[in-house]
Amino acid sequence: QSALTQPASVSGSPGQSITISCTGTDTDIGAYDYVSWYQQHAGQAPKFWIYDVNSRPSGVSSRFSGSKSGNTASLTISGLQPEDEAEYFCSSYAASGFYVFGTGTKVTVL
Amino acid sequence: QVQLQESGPGLVKPSGTLSLTCTVSGDSVSSGHWWSWIRQSPGKGLEWIGEILDNANYNFHPSLKSRLSMSIDKSKNLFSLRLSSVTAADTAVYYCARDSGLSGTSAYFAYWGPGILATVSS
Repeated sequence: QSALTQPASVSGSPGQSITISCTGTDTDIGAYDYVSWYQQHAGQAPKFWIYDVNSRPSGVSSRFSGSKSGNTASLTISGLQPEDEAEYFCSSYAASGFYVFGTGTKVTVL
Repeated sequence: QVQLQESGPGLVKPSGTLSLTCTVSGDSVSSGHWWSWIRQSPGKGLEWIGEILDNANYNFHPSLKSRLSMSIDKSKNLFSLRLSSVTAADTAVYYCARDSGLSGTSAYFAYWGPGILATVSS
């Protein structure tokens, strides 16, 4: 029932690519492909950003992509832009029928 | 467009019960979607609390199950949360959310309310 582990912060310059990792266990990320990501700007509610590990909801830029290997999921932002500065949370379905979120990663555009 | 709005008291006394309501517009609470509550403690991450489909089908976070209840009011198109025996650790922004309807799972939270801060303090 522990939160998924993410780095506290990641930074990059405009135009660069960055990757955020999300590490779980073999009872959540390792067991299911129900991995999603949420973008949260300061003072706002989270926004649905990635689902099914690597699918994008309508309206989300193709600069965002997801992947998974074993117990770790990743979110890559290509061509980093100032509006990408936000906090990103991963999430996974877990055994016993509940959902677990990551600890959150603050992305800073230098 | 689906919109959700949380409401309820912003201050609850320790050992009391936190009661929140989420009013839905642009969709029906009887539409077959799962409706969730998610909270975020100040400066911390997100924690899924539970979800409800109807008053007979719901799932709760194992660590909160003993203190938690949820219900749906179809006549008012809203759903509610009640969390009993609260402590300072329950102080958080509480969000209500609806699943995406994608991939045949309720695992994705596509629509969120703006959130409401609930503080537990005497």
